Amino acid sequence: NAGVTQTPKFQVLKTGQSMTLQCAQDMNHEYMSWYRQDPGMGLRLIHYSVGAGITDQGEVPNGYNVSRSTTEDFPLRLLSAAPSQTSVYFCASSYSPWLVANTGELFFGEGSRLTVL
Amino acid sequence: SQKIEQNSEALNIQEGKTATLTCNYTNYSPAYLQWYRQDPGRGPVFLLLIRENEKEKRKERLKVTFDTTLKQSLFHITASQPADSATYLCALDDGGSGNTPLVFGKGTRLSVIA
Repeated sequence: NAGVTQTPKFQVLKTGQSMTLQCAQDMNHEYMSWYRQDPGMGLRLIHYSVGAGITDQGEVPNGYNVSRSTTEDFPLRLLSAAPSQTSVYFCASSYSPWLVANTGELFFGEGSRLTVL
Repeated sequence: SQKIEQNSEALNIQEGKTATLTCNYTNYSPAYLQWYRQDPGRGPVFLLLIRENEKEKRKERLKVTFDTTLKQSLFHITASQPADSATYLCALDDGGSGNTPLVFGKGTRLSVIA
C-alpha cells in the first residue's frame, strides 16, 4: 500500500519557470490538500479538495493552481515560480472530514523540496 | 485574529522524564484537536485525536488533554526515550461540523537526552 506519493522529491527552478508537483493516493480518500512548510511558519494550507471536481483555496493560495479530475490525483501547479515559493510542499489526504465517525486523520506524503533561484 | 500557539519552539528533557507540550488556540471553535509527529525530512504522522467532549485520551505512553474553556491541549509523553526526539505539531479544525481543513501550529521540537 503506497499511501500518498509525491513527485518530484527535489526540484530547482529559475524565477519565472512553471512546474507541477504531483500527488497521488491509493486509499480512495475524498479529501486531499496541499500545505507548504517554511522555517518558523509551520504548515500553511495552500489549496484543498473535498472530492473530484471540487477545489477551494486555503490560507496561501496566490501563485498556485490546482485541479481534481480524479479521486486519486491532486496536482499543484506553479505558473510562474518566484523565490518566495522556495519551500517544502506536503500533500495530505483523508476520508471525508465531515463524516462523524471519521477521525479526520491526515495521511501525508514525504514532501517535495522546491528551490526557486 | 485566529492563532494556534505551541508555547515552546524547542524543549529538552532528560530520558525517563515526562515531556509536556502545550497547544493554545484563539478564536477557533474546534470539533476536535489532533497531534502529529514529524521527523526531519519526513512528512507528519498522526498520533492522537481528542474530541471537544473528551477530557483526556491515552495511547501507550502518550496522553492528551483538551480543555475547551482554557482553549488548550496538553500532550504528555511519559518515560521519554531518545527515540521520542522529533517535532510535535498540534492541529485543529475550525468548525463545529468538523468539515473544514486542519490548521496547524508551528510545532515544538523535542529533544530527549540520554
